[in-house]
Amino acid sequence: GESVGLHLPTLSVQEGDNSIINCAYSNSASDYFIWYKQESGKGPQFIIDIRSNMDKRQGQRVTVLLNKTVKHLSLQIAATQPGDSAVYFCAENHDYKLSFGAGTTVTVRA
Amino acid sequence: ETGVTQSPTHLIKTRGQQVTLRCSSQSGHNTVSWYQQALGQGPQFIFQYYREEENGRGNFPPRFSGLQFPNYSSELNVNALELDDSALYLCASSLGTGDGYTFGSGTRLTVV
Repeated sequence: GESVGLHLPTLSVQEGDNSIINCAYSNSASDYFIWYKQESGKGPQFIIDIRSNMDKRQGQRVTVLLNKTVKHLSLQIAATQPGDSAVYFCAENHDYKLSFGAGTTVTVRA
Repeated sequence: ETGVTQSPTHLIKTRGQQVTLRCSSQSGHNTVSWYQQALGQGPQFIFQYYREEENGRGNFPPRFSGLQFPNYSSELNVNALELDDSALYLCASSLGTGDGYTFGSGTRLTVV
């Protein structure tokens, strides 16, 4: 079965608000985690990654938090914009492969 | 620098037929991984090729096979197509086998 899962399949957010997308993983041996954004008709696009020796990493408008104690990962998007509407996947990298969850569909309301 | 390109973008095949999907890796990348993404699901790992050798395989039957060429491009072959093979097939390239994956836009395969 899948080792990575997202808590909620859909998220509706008001434009300008912050978004938080959650993810639980089960493989405690995983040492590298990635968030991807997938728009309709496109492949997954890299957003941000984090290694297991870190608990927080920031990018442009995005922050990833890693809690290894409870095996939880989250993606925070600041000042959500219409262009942020997409499906978001967390993935864990173990050995040579990525394991993805089912994804969270984010819809931004104007 | 070019990204990952996949061809064709869309394909319709009949059950029992065979199909070949192609992937050109990003410049400088030597590893290619293939994923199957069913509608509404996350991608599932099929296999990875590193320096022209299969480096690992997911839970897919032997009728899914692949190749990697000296220029690091790759093919995914699927024999005896089944209706459940209908999906988006994604190729991801990387430098090495551990991280830095760049995905292509995929090939949408429909089996009828």
